[in-house]
Amino acid sequence: KNQVEQSPQSLIILEGKNCTLQCNYTVSPFSNLRWYKQDTGRGPVSLTIMTFSENTKSNGRYTATLDADTKQSSLHITASQLSDSASYICVVSAEFSADGLTFGKGTHLIIQP
Amino acid sequence: EPEVTQTPSHQVTQMGQEVILRCVPISNHLYFYWYRQILGQKVEFLVSFYNNEISEKSEIFDDQFSVERPDGSNFTLKIRSTKLEDSAMYFCASSEFGGTGIFYEQYFGPGTRLTVT
Repeated sequence: KNQVEQSPQSLIILEGKNCTLQCNYTVSPFSNLRWYKQDTGRGPVSLTIMTFSENTKSNGRYTATLDADTKQSSLHITASQLSDSASYICVVSAEFSADGLTFGKGTHLIIQP
Repeated sequence: EPEVTQTPSHQVTQMGQEVILRCVPISNHLYFYWYRQILGQKVEFLVSFYNNEISEKSEIFDDQFSVERPDGSNFTLKIRSTKLEDSAMYFCASSEFGGTGIFYEQYFGPGTRLTVT
């Protein structure tokens, strides 16, 4: 069964600091991995999408990495801002599947001033 | 910037009642989806819809659920006889392309919070 596990469950850091969120997946055959940001009470918003051939992808202060061999991904946030407080969700898509995505439970990030 | 909209934002209903959740996908998108998120849990896929028919559905999407595109703009999720465990946030999403390719970007609506009492 396809699964996505994320750690930590929650994280509190001070504004301006960096942080890294982790994602491990067992999705086969792998197609692509996405990181979404979900503000409280809102729908997820895409940050990055990576295929197996991509090791890293950046979107502003967000940098995602992917190791398709170990089936791990990370999301690094640089110089955090108060508006970064949200849940960050790792989502994996399987090749040749229909259109469903497998979601992780997310990491709840709180940025403190 | 185009966005997916959903109505209502919050729906309260009694167990056993029928509810219809409404979504207006982005206008040039052809693929539509429903997801749900029980409070504190992960987002779960319910169903995908293309060319006026269901293309995939999950185990959650049983006979109590149905989807419809009644006109050129709306996409609805109907729950025939709601149960307490149907209480969740329901997200609609749409995409220009389907399948698992890299261009397959789904845009999510803000969600409808369904509370079944």
